[in-house]
Amino acid sequence: SAVISQKPSRDICQRGTSLTIQCQVDSQVTMMFWYRQQPGQSLTLIATANQGSEATYESGFVIDKFPISRPNLTFSTLTVSNMSPEDSSIYLCSVNRGLYNEQFFGPGTRLTVL
Amino acid sequence: QKEVEQDPGPLSVPEGAIVSLNCTYSNSAFQYFMWYRQYSRKGPELLMYTYSSGNKEDGRFTAQVDKSSKYISLFIRDSQPSDSATYLCATSLNTGFQKLVFGTGTRLLVSP
Repeated sequence: SAVISQKPSRDICQRGTSLTIQCQVDSQVTMMFWYRQQPGQSLTLIATANQGSEATYESGFVIDKFPISRPNLTFSTLTVSNMSPEDSSIYLCSVNRGLYNEQFFGPGTRLTVL
Repeated sequence: QKEVEQDPGPLSVPEGAIVSLNCTYSNSAFQYFMWYRQYSRKGPELLMYTYSSGNKEDGRFTAQVDKSSKYISLFIRDSQPSDSATYLCATSLNTGFQKLVFGTGTRLLVSP
C-alpha cells in the first residue's frame, strides 16, 4: 500500500475564497490523481498530475477553477478557486502502487463552503 | 446512463450473515475491477482487485466478475459489525493509467 497524507483534513470556507489542499506520499510516484466525492455521488476524477508537466483535466474540470501543482515526485496541491456552496465536497488524492498499479487513496479533505 | 451503477442502500444485515454487494457497468471495454471499503470520514481502502471474468477470494471476501452480463459482485461471509462501511465498486480500462470509474457506493450496516 501507500502512506498518503492530506492537509487540511477539513475546512469551512466562505463563498468566493480559495483553498489549497496538500497531498504528501511516502515515496516517489510518477502520477498523482485528484478526485472529488460529492454527497450521494460517485468519486469523480478531476485531474492527473505528473511531475514536471501540466496537469491533465477531465471533462467538466478546468485549470482556472482547480489549479494543480506537482513540484516533486512526492507532493501535489489542488486549489479550489472562487468557491461556491456547490464545491462542498470531499477531495481525495491517490497514487498508483504495486504489482498491478493498484490505486491507493489519501484520507480526504472535507470542504464546506458557506 | 451512468457508466457504473450501484444501489446506494443502506443494506442492513445481522452479524454472521452473508452479504452480497453488486454493480453493473455499461462499457464492455472495462477490464479491471476493484472493490473499495470506505469508513465514515476516511478515504477509500482497496479491498479486492480482479482482472476480467472469474472469482477471487481473500479471507471472508470474494469478488466475482461476469463480463458477459457486465455484472460485478462482492460477497462477505460471516459479516461482522466492523464490516459496516460504504463499499465502492470501480472499474478501469487498463493498469498503466488507472482512470477509475466508480459506482456511488452501497452503505452496509451489520448489527450485532
